[in-house]
Amino acid sequence: IAGITQAPTSQILAAGRRMTLRCTQDMRHNAMYWYRQDLGLGLRLIHYSNTAGTTGKGEVPDGYSVSRANTDDFPLTLASAVPSQTSVYFCASSTGTGDHNEQFFGPGTRLTVL
Amino acid sequence: GQNIDQPTEMTATEGAIVQINCTYQTSGFNGLFWYQQHAGEAPTFLSYNVLDGLEEKGRFSSFLSRSKGYSYLLLKELQMKDSASYLCAPMDSNYQLIWGAGTKLIIKP
Repeated sequence: IAGITQAPTSQILAAGRRMTLRCTQDMRHNAMYWYRQDLGLGLRLIHYSNTAGTTGKGEVPDGYSVSRANTDDFPLTLASAVPSQTSVYFCASSTGTGDHNEQFFGPGTRLTVL
Repeated sequence: GQNIDQPTEMTATEGAIVQINCTYQTSGFNGLFWYQQHAGEAPTFLSYNVLDGLEEKGRFSSFLSRSKGYSYLLLKELQMKDSASYLCAPMDSNYQLIWGAGTKLIIKP
């Protein structure tokens, strides 16, 4: 693989179900991010990780959890999905903190919670 | 609070020039990014400014005025493939990107 991948591409989920969105990068980037994008709104940061073993809360963390066991993987878990979590989810990575720190995005996961 | 303001939608003609403005208020500032996002796709990096002035990259240029909290993206010789949303994203004191809702640019023949 080259770059950053996400799985699944899309998913329809019943409310109350648990769901994990997967994200893997092969660029050896230190920092990784999860965003959600809703129509008419900017990208909103859910959780981030500046380096393997550490995570932090973004602007909209409630209802989501993440882990960063290694450099490459950064899964996002919805413990009990609700309809308001219907969105497009993007994973991104960057070399680390600091300026000129371009973020590279995965293709996104389109999640519908019914 | 942190705030980004850019026009919701703009229309331009193929071959013309268009300027997309962005004003911002952030807690601290560590540069500003512009990204392009085609419908149904992920954002892709276009430009980065950290100092005042104009950065030129082919048909695209980006300008920054830190004192005014203002940036613009200038697209020249517009092509149909430039139809996309353009996202302004300043970086705050924690090196987090603050994203605007984006400007949808429609190119007409």
